[in-house]
Amino acid sequence: AQTVTQSQPEMSVQEAETVTLSCTYDTSESNYYLFWYKQPPSRQMILVIRQEAYKQQNATENRFSVNFQKAAKSFSLKISDSQLGDTAMYFCAFMRGQGGSEKLVFGKGTKLTVNP
Amino acid sequence: DTGVSQNPRHKITKRGQNVTFRCDPISEHNRLYWYRQTLGQGPEFLTYFQNEAQLEKSRLLSDRFSAERPKGSFSTLEIQRTEQGDSAMYLCASSPGHGNTGELFFGEGSRLTVL
Repeated sequence: AQTVTQSQPEMSVQEAETVTLSCTYDTSESNYYLFWYKQPPSRQMILVIRQEAYKQQNATENRFSVNFQKAAKSFSLKISDSQLGDTAMYFCAFMRGQGGSEKLVFGKGTKLTVNP
Repeated sequence: DTGVSQNPRHKITKRGQNVTFRCDPISEHNRLYWYRQTLGQGPEFLTYFQNEAQLEKSRLLSDRFSAERPKGSFSTLEIQRTEQGDSAMYLCASSPGHGNTGELFFGEGSRLTVL
């Protein structure tokens, strides 16, 4: 079974600064996807960024980037130029590749607060 | 609004009662998922449908839980004989299906409180 571990229950950062959220996972699969989802207070969860395991290049989406270390099974999220709207719960998630189960396995989340 | 819609948003019930939640996915999405999220935890997979077929059920989905998607559009999640441990946020999500690579579109959830 796959597991996802987020070791930082809470983090805070000053507006405009950079913060990194950690995630490790455990799997014996070779084909899989990793995700960071954001859940703002009282709002629905949305996808922030996705990484295919077969790609060596780290994914980036504007101010969000990941550091994917496949051998170490590590998948951290870096948020640059933090904004107040980045305040949310962030969940790291794993999904087996095509042909496998469609389900996402989530970590427990990291509560990020961006301070003005 | 063309996002995923869930109703009711909040439900308070007494132990032993039955409750039903409804999810209306994004209209062109043929895959629909139910997750449960308790306080301080990430969402846990319950079940998913492709069109009207229920393709996978978690062991978390005890025999008191049943989900349906009769016409491949909206879905219902029913919990019979509720227990206090059922108190949680029930999240519905949908995805396009073919060619999808894990991006789920979530609703705002239905929060259940069992007294």
